Amino acid sequence: AQTVTQSQPEMSVQEAETVTLSCTYDTSESDYYLFWYKQPPSRQMILVIRQEAYKQQNATENRFSVNFQKAAKSFSLKISDSQLGDAAMYFCANRRRPNYGGSQGNLIFGKGTKLSVKP
Amino acid sequence: EPEVTQTPSHQVTQMGQEVILRCVPISNHLYFYWYRQILGQKVEFLVSFYNNEISEKSEIFDDQFSVERPDGSNFTLKIRSTKLEDSAMYFCASRGVSSYNEQFFGPGTRLTVL
Repeated sequence: AQTVTQSQPEMSVQEAETVTLSCTYDTSESDYYLFWYKQPPSRQMILVIRQEAYKQQNATENRFSVNFQKAAKSFSLKISDSQLGDAAMYFCANRRRPNYGGSQGNLIFGKGTKLSVKP
Repeated sequence: EPEVTQTPSHQVTQMGQEVILRCVPISNHLYFYWYRQILGQKVEFLVSFYNNEISEKSEIFDDQFSVERPDGSNFTLKIRSTKLEDSAMYFCASRGVSSYNEQFFGPGTRLTVL
């Protein structure tokens, strides 16, 4: 079974500083994807960044980057130059590669980390 | 930019009543999902839908739940006889044809069962 664990229920960062959110996962799949989603108070789930498991290079999206360690099954999110608008719940998620005619790759989420940004 | 929409944004119902939650996925997407999030808890997968049939469902998705795509645009989740524990945020998501494509989420419907 796939599981995703986020061990930090809450984190806090000073505006303009850097923060790292932790995520570990377990899967028996060899081909899968990892995601970080942001959920602001509006509750809408917004994709922050995506990593394909077969890629060794860590994904980067502007101020957001990941540290993907496949052997350790670790997938942390680093937010640089934190902004007040970054305050939200952050969910790590795993998705196996969809099989046409079979699994459509549903997301397995962690419990989330609530990030606060202090001005 | 295309987006997934959901209606209503908030539904209040009495225990035992039927509810239908509606979603309009992004128009060229072929894969559809429902997730739910009980307040303060993680998002949980309910069901995936492709080619007019259920592809996968979780153990949460029991006989009280059903999904359909009645008219080629709407994607609905029906709860036949609501229970108090069905109170949650329900998210619809859709995905394009490539396996690399991300799932785009709608804004959610907050269901409150009294």
